Amino acid sequence: ETGVTQTPRHLVMGMTNKKSLKCEQHLGHNAMYWYKQSAKKPLELMFVYNFKEQTENNSVPSRFSPECPNSSHLFLHLHTLQPEDSALYLCASSQSIGTGDQPQHFGDGTRLSIL
Amino acid sequence: GQNIDQPTEMTATEGAIVQINCTYQTSGFNGLFWYQQHAGEAPTFLSYNVLDGLEEKGRFSSFLSRSKGYSYLLLKELQMKDSASYLCAALDSNYQLIWGAGTKLIIKP
Repeated sequence: ETGVTQTPRHLVMGMTNKKSLKCEQHLGHNAMYWYKQSAKKPLELMFVYNFKEQTENNSVPSRFSPECPNSSHLFLHLHTLQPEDSALYLCASSQSIGTGDQPQHFGDGTRLSIL
Repeated sequence: GQNIDQPTEMTATEGAIVQINCTYQTSGFNGLFWYQQHAGEAPTFLSYNVLDGLEEKGRFSSFLSRSKGYSYLLLKELQMKDSASYLCAALDSNYQLIWGAGTKLIIKP
């Protein structure tokens, strides 16, 4: 299934660079999510958007800035990142928020390395 | 606090059966999900349980006991392609997923 597409797949950047991660879903879903996945740690929820409105910001540093121009697209803008931000960044979508049996569908992620 | 516990790694033999356990502590509960994640790929949905009991889906089954805060994923007739990480996640009262760190399953011939 290629319902959720993330670009780029790999990104190497210096601490002073600015870059953006892109996510697009083709499933007609109304909710979109950004997660951080580090080795041997649980998925960390970063941001949630429902019908283009941000509903969650789990104490994420301001060097991460999300943008959701419409229900199909989600961006994560990166600026002045730290080495500990190196991780796999996953985007997901679901039909809605607040119903139990709707699974989240994930993209393949962007592997981010900070030099 | 909210917490999900599952084993870090398990090894099993091709053709055998393996059970991956998951215990959870959440503020409220609206169901439990299992996902499979192959290395370098997206997590993919396997199962959802909200009522007590066993749900069977081909070679994979998932069990839930709400009173014990416990679930397991049962994989039968293991194949090499089942080598992956298996993620347990519980949906809390705010419909937010609380994730475990995942169980890496290694299948040996």
